[in-house]
Amino acid sequence: ETGVTQSPTHLIKTRGQQVTLRCSSQSGHNTVSWYQQALGQGPQFIFQYYREEENGRGNFPPRFSGLQFPNYSSELNVNALELDDSALYLCASSSQGVAYEQYFGPGTRLTVT
Amino acid sequence: DAKTTQPNSMESNEEEPVHLPCNHSTISGTDYIHWYRQLPSQGPEYVIHGLTSNVNNRMASLAIAEDRKSSTLILHRATLRDAAVYYCIRADSWGKLQFGAGTQVVVTP
Repeated sequence: ETGVTQSPTHLIKTRGQQVTLRCSSQSGHNTVSWYQQALGQGPQFIFQYYREEENGRGNFPPRFSGLQFPNYSSELNVNALELDDSALYLCASSSQGVAYEQYFGPGTRLTVT
Repeated sequence: DAKTTQPNSMESNEEEPVHLPCNHSTISGTDYIHWYRQLPSQGPEYVIHGLTSNVNNRMASLAIAEDRKSSTLILHRATLRDAAVYYCIRADSWGKLQFGAGTQVVVTP
């Protein structure tokens, strides 16, 4: 059974650019959640996708958007990058619902200069 | 608003039990309590979760107060590999996890 994978591992972008991060969910999971973790803080929920539809969103602006594909993999897109977007971006896959645990990938470290 | 309160840090000796407290006084009847831990340079790792009853698994035990306003994660025998940040989380009806700052657990040999 393959775990959650994310790509790329590290990324450096310039302010104003756009970035796409990718996540492959664990086999059998239909839900993907994305989190942003700034240095020294706990992860903050961005949004969740279930069966290709956004299923809830945290306090993030519309320039953070996502997609989920029929194979349940997912992308996180961030437009008009700002310096404060520098963080570790984590995705987690799970079955749908509160009673299920989430399995996290290793994250993508984004640096915006 | 993480809606849970944990101590900033706790220290334990190796092979001793560790009891990590968490307050969640405003929890709703349908929220689950989840615990995750995060080792340096890794994504969070699931530890345990529960609703009302105490729960046990191979990693830990979770004791939930009868009024559900608090819970305690119990690591029965701490090892050096258990040194991590432990997050107590309220999970809402569709599984959104709201992380707080967590508790840094230090294990000394």
